[in-house]
Amino acid sequence: GNSVTQMEGPVTLSEEAFLTINCTYTATGYPSLFWYVQYPGEGLQLLLKATKADDKGSNKGFEATYRKETTSFHLEKGSVQVSDSAVYFCALKLTGGGNKLTFGTGTQLKVEL
Amino acid sequence: GEEVAQTPKHLVRGEGQKAKLYCAPIKGHSYVFWYQQVLKNEFKFLISFQNENVFDETGMPKERFSAKCLPNSPCSLEIQATKLEDSAVYFCASSQPDRLNEKLFFGSGTQLSVL
Repeated sequence: GNSVTQMEGPVTLSEEAFLTINCTYTATGYPSLFWYVQYPGEGLQLLLKATKADDKGSNKGFEATYRKETTSFHLEKGSVQVSDSAVYFCALKLTGGGNKLTFGTGTQLKVEL
Repeated sequence: GEEVAQTPKHLVRGEGQKAKLYCAPIKGHSYVFWYQQVLKNEFKFLISFQNENVFDETGMPKERFSAKCLPNSPCSLEIQATKLEDSAVYFCASSQPDRLNEKLFFGSGTQLSVL
């Protein structure tokens, strides 16, 4: 079946530290990959996406590269801010699945001054 | 509207009572999704609609849970005879037609507490 595995959190960093949140996937076929972010008390918002191998998604200083050979889509940011504190969800979507997303379990990020 | 609107924000029910949640998708979006989030992580897919038709219901518990998306009405998710384990935040999302890079727009959720 299709699944997404994320590193367990919480991840606690100091402001301006480098961030990596690991994400690997298992899928039948060639999925599109997404990172969504959930701020406290809110729904999910799309952070970035990639639709094919070697594509790099980027937004607000975050990046992730679709690696088919390692079935990974790790999220990175060079310098985190306190405002980046949130829960980050990796997700995949298969064509013909009616846009259904399969999510990982989420990784909580806490950024401290 | 330009956002997915979910009501109510909070719902408290005694065990065994019925709970009904509502979702107004973004106008023009043909897909609607319901997800259940327990313990502030793990989004569990429940059901999706393509317009008023059920598209995928593989995540719906067979008993007690039902959902509808009727024309010119908000979509609804109903739980008959709620149980303690139904306590969760229920998120609705909508999207445009099925495309490779299509994103989902999420509402802010309904927190259901079963006491």
